[in-house]
Amino acid sequence: AQSVTQLGSHVSVSEGALVLLRCNYSSSVPPYLFWYVQYPNQGLQLLLKYTSAATLVKGINGFEAEFKKSETSFHLTKPSAHMSDAAEYFCAVSLRGAAGNKLTFGGGTRVLVKP
Amino acid sequence: DTGVSQNPRHKITKRGQNVTFRCDPISEHNRLYWYRQTLGQGPEFLTYFQNEAQLEKSRLLSDRFSAERPKGSFSTLEIQRTEQGDSAMYLCASRWGGEAVNEQFFGPGTRLTVL
Repeated sequence: AQSVTQLGSHVSVSEGALVLLRCNYSSSVPPYLFWYVQYPNQGLQLLLKYTSAATLVKGINGFEAEFKKSETSFHLTKPSAHMSDAAEYFCAVSLRGAAGNKLTFGGGTRVLVKP
Repeated sequence: DTGVSQNPRHKITKRGQNVTFRCDPISEHNRLYWYRQTLGQGPEFLTYFQNEAQLEKSRLLSDRFSAERPKGSFSTLEIQRTEQGDSAMYLCASRWGGEAVNEQFFGPGTRLTVL
């Protein structure tokens, strides 16, 4: 079984400041890890994914995440927040080789960007 | 290719009524997933199809819920005798192939409100 914990249901950052969203996972086998973004009244859009090719993963819109096996973490960062980054962000895990490859999501972190 | 589409986008119903949602996946995608997202939570897996076969159902999917994917194309999710606890966003996702690393593409969701 797998699970995902996102620390902080709400994060407030100033425009231009660092965005840091925390994600820790629990998995019995090496997982694939994903970050999705959800804008109001819309579906989820993939930001980036970890597939074991590299521990530092770069995604769209200037986001990146680092996989740390020893810490079972996959934190998402962006050096400089933009107003358009205001949204809800979800970390998700999928198990390699598992039938179905369903996604297990964390509870989400809502980002507020202050001007 | 216009992505994953879902209809209706919003549904308001009275307790005890039946409702049906439709999902049209990306045309070449053989896997289709249904998730449920309640307010302030991350999406939770309900069920998935590989082509027309329903291969896994979550314990969240009570016997009042049924999903189909005739001919391996669009899918429907029906809820019978709706309850207020069924109020949620119902998300559909599709992807190609059996590798967990392959991205799931999400539709905009159907928001259900049960009065």
